[in-house]
Amino acid sequence: AQSVTQLGSHVSVSEGALVLLRCNYSSSVPPYLFWYVQYPNQGLQLLLKYTSAATLVKGINGFEAEFKKSETSFHLTKPSAHMSDAAEYFCAVTLYKYSSASKIIFGSGTRLSIRP
Amino acid sequence: SQTIHQWPATLVQPVGSPLSLECTVEGTSNPNLYWYRQAAGRGLQLLFYSVGIGQISSEVPQNLSASRPQDRQFILSSKKLLLSDSGFYLCAWTGQHNYGYTFGSGTRLTVV
Repeated sequence: AQSVTQLGSHVSVSEGALVLLRCNYSSSVPPYLFWYVQYPNQGLQLLLKYTSAATLVKGINGFEAEFKKSETSFHLTKPSAHMSDAAEYFCAVTLYKYSSASKIIFGSGTRLSIRP
Repeated sequence: SQTIHQWPATLVQPVGSPLSLECTVEGTSNPNLYWYRQAAGRGLQLLFYSVGIGQISSEVPQNLSASRPQDRQFILSSKKLLLSDSGFYLCAWTGQHNYGYTFGSGTRLTVV
């Protein structure tokens, strides 16, 4: 069965610093991978997705993630943090190609705080 | 364009009362529909999913049930709420050939 592990339930960076949120996945077949962002009391918004095309994926708000099969990782990065980036971030995995239901399994989330 | 509506946004219910949360999708047909729950300080737990009218799959045994009476309508229900049912409930959809969910704005349920 597939799963994702997000390292660090809380990450704090200074405004303008690099953002790095870690995600490792486990899957017996090539997965599709996602990063979602959730602002307080809101639904989740898709940041970016990897669907077996380019391994470096660019998303909204300046975020990007790189799929590394050898490391089973899909870490999320942003070169320069902005105060508006403060939110909860979820890594997720699905075996869409192998399941008509397209169930997505989410990590436990990482809360990103930005220091002025 | 496709949109997903979820209501109500906030709900406070006493223990033992019934529950009905509704989710509708517009601008698409035959979507896959999902209910997730997010308890305080915890991740997202898949509760139910549906690939068609009347087709409901349950991921975890619990006090809740789901129904899909129409193609683009997904309802989450309970006959008698428990304190442990409190949480943030999210509805989501995906197309037959898309990847990644689109989420509704969520319902904050507090059982008192």
